Amino acid sequence: AQSVTQLGSHVSVSEGALVLLRCNYSSSVPPYLFWYVQYPNQGLQLLLKYTTGATLVKGINGFEAEFKKSETSFHLTKPSAHMSDAAEYFCAVSIGDMRFGAGTRLTVKP
Amino acid sequence: DGGITQSPKYLFRKEGQNVTLSCEQNLNHDAMYWYRQDPGQGLRLIYYSQIVNDFQKGDIAEGYSVSREKKESFPLTVTSAQKNPTAFYLCASGPGGSSYEQYFGPGTRLTVT
Repeated sequence: AQSVTQLGSHVSVSEGALVLLRCNYSSSVPPYLFWYVQYPNQGLQLLLKYTTGATLVKGINGFEAEFKKSETSFHLTKPSAHMSDAAEYFCAVSIGDMRFGAGTRLTVKP
Repeated sequence: DGGITQSPKYLFRKEGQNVTLSCEQNLNHDAMYWYRQDPGQGLRLIYYSQIVNDFQKGDIAEGYSVSREKKESFPLTVTSAQKNPTAFYLCASGPGGSSYEQYFGPGTRLTVT
């Protein structure tokens, strides 16, 4: 069965700083991987996904993630944080059904 | 305007009452899902349906029931048997299949006292 671990339940960065949200997965077969963002009291919105092909995936709002099979990781990055990036971020792995990590709350300081 | 609607946004009930949460989609998706979200626990799957008139239990189905009589609709009933029903409930839909993302509704926050 697949599973997802998000390292760090809270991450705080300064505006303009690099954002790095960590995600490691466990899967017995090649996984499909997703990052979602959730703003307070709203549903989840897809940021990006990896299915096959290029391992560096670009998403919306300047985010990108790199699939590293050898490290079983799919970390999310953004070169320069903006105040509007403050939200909760979920990593998910899908093989048959979709499994979500516990989430990482990103705070952006002015 | 395509999307997923959930109603109501906030719902309050007394303990011992059943309550039904609405989920409608006009994306023509085959698959629909219900998740429960609690602080620090991510999303947990309650029920899912891949086709009309068929649905399967997820990880935490006890105390919940669903129906899928129409492709567009997948209502969730929280029964009095659910021991801790206060939570944020999210409905999602998708084309089905592992490689496809799910599209989420805005959620319903249920408070039972």
